[in-house]
Amino acid sequence: GENVEQHPSTLSVQEGDSAVIKCTYSDSASNYFPWYKQELGKGPQLIIDIRSNVGEKKDQRIAVTLNKTAKHFSLHITETQPEDSAVYFCAARSLNSGNTPLVFGKGTRLSVIA
Amino acid sequence: GAVVSQHPSRVICKSGTSVKIECRSLDFQATTMFWYRQFPKQSLMLMATSNEGSKATYEQGVEKDKFLINHASLTLSTLTVTSAHPEDSSFYICSARGTGVRSGELFFGEGSRLTVL
Repeated sequence: GENVEQHPSTLSVQEGDSAVIKCTYSDSASNYFPWYKQELGKGPQLIIDIRSNVGEKKDQRIAVTLNKTAKHFSLHITETQPEDSAVYFCAARSLNSGNTPLVFGKGTRLSVIA
Repeated sequence: GAVVSQHPSRVICKSGTSVKIECRSLDFQATTMFWYRQFPKQSLMLMATSNEGSKATYEQGVEKDKFLINHASLTLSTLTVTSAHPEDSSFYICSARGTGVRSGELFFGEGSRLTVL
């Protein structure tokens, strides 16, 4: 089955700097890679996703890149703000395999220092 | 965007009682919902996959008689923790799979924090 590794587990950056979180996956059949932001005491919220037919996707300060050959994908947050502080999870699954669930990474706790 | 509502957000119960958590997809029909459990500072652990009109599929190690899942309609799935014990205290999160153009996307509820005394 799919295995998703996520690094780093914790990340501290100064406000205004960029933050990068990296994930690798094992199943070459996976073709959907979402990223979730979870604030304390709340459920995860989808912030961006990418499908395997593209290599990069951007939404304002957030971008995700995908390297299918190397089986890794990354989240990039530019111009970080204190409200970006949260736990971020990457995930992977195949959209072609029925109801297979998302497989999550272990999460990255991002702290943006003002 | 798609909204998933989860209720209650917090619940405290005595050991031995049962607790029901509801998960509703508010603006779309969800034939498939997932239930997760999350321990402090850890990732989401999939408990079961809930399919409308059929029995839930439980992950290995999850007791189906303890964690009863019902998905009676296309917008509602419930998780009942039966005979709860302190070790069942956790953050339970449901999610629903999107439909149409958002098929494949997974939307999460706000979570329910269960504390068993």
